[in-house]
Amino acid sequence: AQSVTQLGSHVSVSEGALVLLRCNYSSSVPPYLFWYVQYPNQGLQLLLKYTTGATLVKGINGFEAEFKKSETSFHLTKPSAHMSDAAEYFCAVKAGNKLVFGAGTILRVKS
Amino acid sequence: DAGVTQSPTHLIKTRGQHVTLRCSPISGHKSVSWYQQVLGQGPQFIFQYYEKEERGRGNFPDRFSARQFPNYSSELNVNALLLGDSALYLCASSLETPRTNEKLFFGSGTQLSVL
Repeated sequence: AQSVTQLGSHVSVSEGALVLLRCNYSSSVPPYLFWYVQYPNQGLQLLLKYTTGATLVKGINGFEAEFKKSETSFHLTKPSAHMSDAAEYFCAVKAGNKLVFGAGTILRVKS
Repeated sequence: DAGVTQSPTHLIKTRGQHVTLRCSPISGHKSVSWYQQVLGQGPQFIFQYYEKEERGRGNFPDRFSARQFPNYSSELNVNALLLGDSALYLCASSLETPRTNEKLFFGSGTQLSVL
């Protein structure tokens, strides 16, 4: 069965610093992987997705993620954090007709 | 264009009652999925409907049911509410069929509190 594990329930960075949110997956088939962001009192918004092809995926708001099969990882990065990036981030893997989400990582950005 | 709309935004019920949550997908989207998000956890899959037929069901008890209407809107029903049903219920729509690479568009959710 497909699953994802997000390492670190809370991450705190300074404004302008590198953002790194970790996600490891488990899948018996080539995975389709996603990162979603959730702002307070809102639904989830897709940041980026990996299906096949290029392993470095660029998303919205300056985020990108790299699919590493050897490490079963799909970590999310952003070179320079903005205050507006403060939110909760979810990694997900497609499993049949559904998405299986990780527990989420809350990103705090300090001024 | 309007996004995925859910109603109501907030709801308070007592144990044993039933509740109906509603979702209108983005125009042209034929697939609707429901997810439950308990505080501090990631969303958990409940149902998927495509072209008015159930295409997937998560590990939820039979107290949970759903349906999709000819206009592709959807309802999620929960009977005999328990305290543990308190959660944010998210609806998501998609332009694609269930088996293809999906991009889900989520609504803002219905926050259900069971007292």
